Amino acid sequence: DIQLTQSPSFLSASVGDRVTITCRASQGISRYLAWYQQKPGKAPNLLISGASTLQSGVPSRFSGSGSGTEFTLTISSLQPEDFATYYCQQLNDYPLTFGPGTKVDIK
Amino acid sequence: EVQLVESGGGLVQPGGSLRLSCADSGFTFSSYWMSWVRQAPGKGLEWVANIKQDGSEKYYVDSVKGRFTISRDNAKNSLYLQMNSLRAEDTALYYCASHSSGWYIDSWGQGTLVTVSS
Repeated sequence: DIQLTQSPSFLSASVGDRVTITCRASQGISRYLAWYQQKPGKAPNLLISGASTLQSGVPSRFSGSGSGTEFTLTISSLQPEDFATYYCQQLNDYPLTFGPGTKVDIK
Repeated sequence: EVQLVESGGGLVQPGGSLRLSCADSGFTFSSYWMSWVRQAPGKGLEWVANIKQDGSEKYYVDSVKGRFTISRDNAKNSLYLQMNSLRAEDTALYYCASHSSGWYIDSWGQGTLVTVSS
């Protein structure tokens, strides 16, 4: 199975900060990586597919990069509505796996 | 537009069975791979199973193989998850999800809670 690790697991930041979350895969997954945002009591929301393709309606302050085993999600200027938990997911091989999540909290 | 509504969750004893359903009120259900994803209380997301558009391919996470069966009825725009031999560790909110953005999961239901406890 392909294992995903995320760092950090918890991040405390202020509005306006630039935030970077890293997702590492235990083996190469090309660019078959998605990023989701999940707020308490809500279903996840797809932000980025194919490692870097921003989904329709997602603010441009979100961006993704990477390929192979290392990927990043960047929020260029953190907004109040961005405080949430972020998950990466690999869709290169079965079982499809999620990272453990990164909780972004208010500093 | 994909709109997914799950049902069938509840409290069940260890070793028991439950069948989850997911109805899509949109018009494109048969066009997409469909998945079940679960989230234990206070924990992260875990992909459980998925099924191809015509039902010819099905995949499962190891922890549910032989116990859970995913199926779909395209005529009814519905997805199912038959869960047998349930364990306490299967307790979670179960989401129905559609691979409606190419290969990626782009649409989710609101989830149905399964609690396995005596």
